[in-house]
Amino acid sequence: QQPVQSPQAVILREGEDAVINCSSSKALYSVHWYRQKHGEAPVFLMILLKGGEQKGHEKISASFNEKKQQSSLYLTASQLSYSGTYFCGTDIYSGNTPLVFGKGTRLSVIA
Amino acid sequence: GAGVSQSPRYKVAKRGQDVALRCDPISGHVSLFWYQQALGQGPEFLTYFQNEAQLDKSGLPSDRFFAERPEGSVSTLKIQRTQQEDSAVYLCASSPYYNEQFFGPGTRLTVL
Repeated sequence: QQPVQSPQAVILREGEDAVINCSSSKALYSVHWYRQKHGEAPVFLMILLKGGEQKGHEKISASFNEKKQQSSLYLTASQLSYSGTYFCGTDIYSGNTPLVFGKGTRLSVIA
Repeated sequence: GAGVSQSPRYKVAKRGQDVALRCDPISGHVSLFWYQQALGQGPEFLTYFQNEAQLDKSGLPSDRFFAERPEGSVSTLKIQRTQQEDSAVYLCASSPYYNEQFFGPGTRLTVL
């Protein structure tokens, strides 16, 4: 079952914050977040494992609510380089198995 | 170090031709995944390998699609008798055991 991402698209000015959500109808083992720029490969951002953890990577962090089967990606003080399409990939098994990706959230950061 | 590489980067095929897409994973990565990405969509799973064993091929859209990884390293995705609906970007990803997946740049296939 494909996870649902929201919003589908968002436009930010430099320095603004954004939240991207990823919801699944199935119990999840892990959630993976990727950013893809046009014509390029998806770039790994972070992985969150079952257990409801939260992770941070510079000004990008994420949380995983196992009960709600939902993950959120937080982008703070956005930079122009944050522009791209963000995908969540979900794994319902015990790891290292194929991911089911959402349709993506297109983020545009403008000066 | 070197990342995942794929070749060719772009492939134009006439309908009915066979194509072969190559993936060189990161050295030592046990798992290798193939995904298909249509324009404006997220990657969709095709098949995956653990070493040379193909553990799941449930995502292959038809029996015209075939993948192999004979020595547990390089993998080839072959599409026979290509159709226009096969046009997409084909992404390969590799992963150390129980870890994140690293994607290659993809092969953009256009079937005319």
